[in-house]
Amino acid sequence: NAGVTQTPKFRVLKTGQSMTLLCAQDMNHEYMYWYRQDPGMGLRLIHYSVGEGTTAKGEVPDGYNVSRLKKQNFLLGLESAAPSQTSVYFCASSQLDLAGVKSGPFFGPGTRLTVL
Amino acid sequence: ILNVEQSPQSLHVQEGDSTNFTCSFPSSNFYALHWYRWETAKSPEALFVMTLNGDEKKKGRISATLNTKEGYSYLYIKGSQPEDSATYLCALMGNTDKLIFGTGTRLQVFP
Repeated sequence: NAGVTQTPKFRVLKTGQSMTLLCAQDMNHEYMYWYRQDPGMGLRLIHYSVGEGTTAKGEVPDGYNVSRLKKQNFLLGLESAAPSQTSVYFCASSQLDLAGVKSGPFFGPGTRLTVL
Repeated sequence: ILNVEQSPQSLHVQEGDSTNFTCSFPSSNFYALHWYRWETAKSPEALFVMTLNGDEKKKGRISATLNTKEGYSYLYIKGSQPEDSATYLCALMGNTDKLIFGTGTRLQVFP
């Protein structure tokens, strides 16, 4: 049981390049989230998904796109990277039951992205 | 817009001191409140999930209380140890399924 995994762990991009960050979870969780972490800003929600085939915008969605084609995977795309997107990106997943939060969110190890 | 605020921003205490910090959130849009412990270069680690007004949770020397009517939660650490040094985050889940984090309280415990 690997939990939540993220690939890659590190990446350096040039301005204007594109890339996709992959988040995978093996806990059969319905909910998945992408956050970015910047100094003094805490964790800010970029996009999230409440189930396979659904996505929704978070607090800071501009410049990012996401897809949830399979329940276990949540992809974060940067179409044209900008230096302002230099950050550490965390993925998380959770499962809710009828009584409230059952488990999670559990976080992945993070992806450190630098845009030059 | 969910606005989650934490105070203080940072805290320095001596080993053995007890300490507490606050998470404030809009009381009108509450589903669950999470507390996390986050060490540098690691992923956030879940401490508590709280859903009911008046909830009290405890894990070792760390405990938390919840007041959903007035929109706040307290995290207490009894007899702080250097290994308690970390950033403590709270996160609010409202009825929109978003999980919104506060900016955290950075705790440093000196031996």
